[in-house]
Amino acid sequence: KAGVTQTPRYLIKTRGQQVTLSCSPISGHRSVSWYQQTPGQGLQFLFEYFSETQRNKGNFPGRFSGRQFSNSRSEMNVSTLELGDSALYLCASSPIGGTDQPQHFGDGTRLSIL
Amino acid sequence: SQQGEEDPQALSIQEGENATMNCSYKTSINNLQWYRQNSGRGLVHLILIRSNEREKHSGRLRVTLDTSKKSSSLLITASRAADTASYFCATVPYNQGGKLIFGQGTELSVKP
Repeated sequence: KAGVTQTPRYLIKTRGQQVTLSCSPISGHRSVSWYQQTPGQGLQFLFEYFSETQRNKGNFPGRFSGRQFSNSRSEMNVSTLELGDSALYLCASSPIGGTDQPQHFGDGTRLSIL
Repeated sequence: SQQGEEDPQALSIQEGENATMNCSYKTSINNLQWYRQNSGRGLVHLILIRSNEREKHSGRLRVTLDTSKKSSSLLITASRAADTASYFCATVPYNQGGKLIFGQGTELSVKP
């Protein structure tokens, strides 16, 4: 079974631009969560999607948004990029996002803002 | 905000020694999970312990959970160079299954 796939692996953008990151979950997994990882703030939860609906949301500004498609693939969008958005963005999937289900992570997209 | 705090932040040991990492959290949880992250990679799930469990084993891993102290520990026995990685504890807030709250992590270095 293929794991969680995130594309692209690396991305360089400049301030003010916007970016879209993609995540394909493990086949059959319907819950997709996104996390931001930085040296200063560590791993922070962005949001979770289940059956095309945002089910949980972290404390990030509205510039961070996402969506999920009917095949469970998910995209995350960041608009008006700021230097502080430089981070490793991780996507994780689980069958239904149940409280006792571990999450399976992709290798992330490393976003650098110049 | 981070719910988990981990201690120590960094740990360096020799192959064959045991490594112990501790995690504290702030609020009620459904369960606590431990993940490993190798440099530049995603996280790998190691073990999950439910709030009504006190100890769990998986291979060379032993996890304990003390809900009265809101703390957990991860013990890796007979460590190997391949165990070199960052280790994170993560809690699941009550009834928010798809959301993990991570600690800052412990960076483990196992020297051959």
